[in-house]
Amino acid sequence: DTAVSQTPKYLVTQMGNDKSIKCEQNLGHDTMYWYKQDSKKFLKIMFSYNNKELIINETVPNRFSPKSPDKAHLNLHINSLELGDSAVYFCASSPNPGTSGRARSYNEQFFGPGTRLTVL
Amino acid sequence: GQQLNQSPQSMFIQEGEDVSMNCTSSSIFNTWLWYKQDPGEGPVLLIALYKAGELTSNGRLTAQFGITRKDSFLNISASIPSDVGIYFCAGNRDDKIIFGKGTRLHILP
Repeated sequence: DTAVSQTPKYLVTQMGNDKSIKCEQNLGHDTMYWYKQDSKKFLKIMFSYNNKELIINETVPNRFSPKSPDKAHLNLHINSLELGDSAVYFCASSPNPGTSGRARSYNEQFFGPGTRLTVL
Repeated sequence: GQQLNQSPQSMFIQEGEDVSMNCTSSSIFNTWLWYKQDPGEGPVLLIALYKAGELTSNGRLTAQFGITRKDSFLNISASIPSDVGIYFCAGNRDDKIIFGKGTRLHILP
C-alpha cells in the first residue's frame, strides 16, 4: 500500500520548459504540502493545502503553482524552469485538519518518495 | 526568520555506540518532531513531542521536548548499520513548520 506517491521519480528537462509533478495520498488526510530539498539536504516548505485551499505559500517564485483537483491530490506545476530549480521535491500529507477551517497542525507528516528534478 | 540549529552536522560512530543529537532555537515551539531520511527516500517520522518536558521512546530511540520549549534532543542507543541516514528535527509554531539542517549519521565498519 502506497501512502503518499509521487510521479515521476526522476525528471530531467531543459531550461525554459514547463513541467508538472503529481502527488497522491490515500491516507484520507486533509492537508498536503510541497517541500524542496536542495543539494545540501536542506528541507524547505513551499506550499500547504488544506482541503483544496492554499494555506501557506512561502517565498516561492510564481513560476511554481500548486494545483489541487481534490483533497487526495496536490500537483506542482513549474513554468519556465531554471537551473536553480534542480532539487528533490517532496510531497507530504498530514492528518490534522485543525479548527476554524484552517490547518493548525503540521504534526506527523507523511512524505512521498520524492521527485528528483534536474534542469539542464 | 525562525531557525533551528541542529547539531552535530555529521557523526561517525562505531556500531554499538550510543548517539545523541539536538536542536535548539531562539523561538518557542509547540511541537517537536524527529524524522529520518534514508538515501533516495522521503523523511519518515520517528517521534513526535507535544508537551514541554515530554520524554518519548520508540524502540532504541528516545527524544525529549526541552522544558523551555526551545530545544529537543534525540538519542539512539546501541546503533546498528540500518541507523545510517540523515536525521532531521522539525519544530511547529504558529501553523508553520521549520526543519533543521539535519544530522548525517555514518557507522564505521
